[in-house]
Amino acid sequence: QVQLVQSGGGVVQPGRSLRLSCATSGFIFNSFGIHWVRQAPGKGLEWVAVIWYDGSKKYYADSVKGRFTISRDDAKNTAYLQMNSLRVEDTAMYYCARDQRPGSGSYVVDYWGQGILVTVSS
Amino acid sequence: DIQLTQSPSFLSASVGDRVTITCRASQDIRSHLAWYQQNPGKAPKVLIHAASSLQSGVPSRFSGSGSGTEFTLTISSLQPEDFATYYCQQLDSYPLAFGGGTKVEI
Repeated sequence: QVQLVQSGGGVVQPGRSLRLSCATSGFIFNSFGIHWVRQAPGKGLEWVAVIWYDGSKKYYADSVKGRFTISRDDAKNTAYLQMNSLRVEDTAMYYCARDQRPGSGSYVVDYWGQGILVTVSS
Repeated sequence: DIQLTQSPSFLSASVGDRVTITCRASQDIRSHLAWYQQNPGKAPKVLIHAASSLQSGVPSRFSGSGSGTEFTLTISSLQPEDFATYYCQQLDSYPLAFGGGTKVEI
């Protein structure tokens, strides 16, 4: 079955960095795009970034552009979100999710990770 | 960037009610819209894609309609498990964006 297992969250001071991982199984990883979506405590969903199935395209929300970098390692079936220059407002539950359409990166997401909490605080 | 406005933000309803949620886009997004349901502490679940296509496994009481800038999600007969928060998402252009959400309460 399709699984996405996240790791790497935690508490970090403002200005510091953190890398989230999304290890996948149960599908052909290099055929699917991966998205990151976050949700601040008590708030709505915010789309963060996507990497296309072949890594050729990467897109970001304006709020993280220039600070966050999405990447993938097809040999490890794992996607990453490198978060630099973290701000208090980046505090949120972060989800990785699989794009439903093979060969894309711009469709609905059908499978989600369990979510991982990132807290930015001094 | 495309903005999505959902209404209402909160909705009180009873089991068996017909419920309609609206999502308006700041520009034409054709039919590139999805609807998700989220329960507290859980990841969202896709209900509708391409504005009106029911995701596999989703009950037929859920339906979506619209194109261009105005879209609706309808629950024909609200069930106890439907009390949740609903989000629309535009998939027309980057950055992909979610609406602010509609919480359906008893």
